Amino acid sequence: NAGVTQTPKFQVLKTGQSMTLQCAQDMNHNSMYWYRQDPGMGLRLIYYSASEGTTDKGEVPNGYNVSRLNKREFSLRLESAAPSQTSVYFCASIGLPLGPAAFFGQGTRLTVV
Amino acid sequence: EDQVTQSPEALRLQEGESSSLNCSYTVSGLRGLFWYRQDPGKGPEFLFTLYSAGEEKEKERLKATLTKKESFLHITAPKPEDSATYLCAVQARSNYQLIWGAGTKLIIKP
Repeated sequence: NAGVTQTPKFQVLKTGQSMTLQCAQDMNHNSMYWYRQDPGMGLRLIYYSASEGTTDKGEVPNGYNVSRLNKREFSLRLESAAPSQTSVYFCASIGLPLGPAAFFGQGTRLTVV
Repeated sequence: EDQVTQSPEALRLQEGESSSLNCSYTVSGLRGLFWYRQDPGKGPEFLFTLYSAGEEKEKERLKATLTKKESFLHITAPKPEDSATYLCAVQARSNYQLIWGAGTKLIIKP
């Protein structure tokens, strides 16, 4: 029972480098989300995809792009990494608008130096 | 503006000492309120969903309750393994976004 799988788990980037965080879910969920989590702050939504073929900006979208590749996969791309993007990134999926709940991956710890 | 505030930021209890965590929310039409547990280095793990005022859910030593303005997570006779950060989130009827509180870090000392 894989649930939500994120890769990689850890990454160190130099300022200006690009990378893509991958997320896949095997629960046949419609909605998928990308969050970042910083110390002392709640989870902040970067982008979300309510259903296959749609994506929308969340609270902190600047510096990021996303692709909903199919129903299973939702990737997050940093085109030119900045130290302010050092954070832990979580992917989540939810089956229906009313829940029952969002299920999270294990996170990607990204450091930009 | 939709908002979630959790209190306290941190709570230290002795094993067996019961207490409650608070989640206050402001949302234009509540679709659901969620409680999660997060262990260090891991993603949040779902605990409960509450949909309407007066609803209660229980799981082992945890009980979640909901009013029109806040939710409580009651912890009865906690054990050290209950130590974690507990997160609260709400979902508005108007969109698919979840709005998160900053969490309460719970430490249970043996």
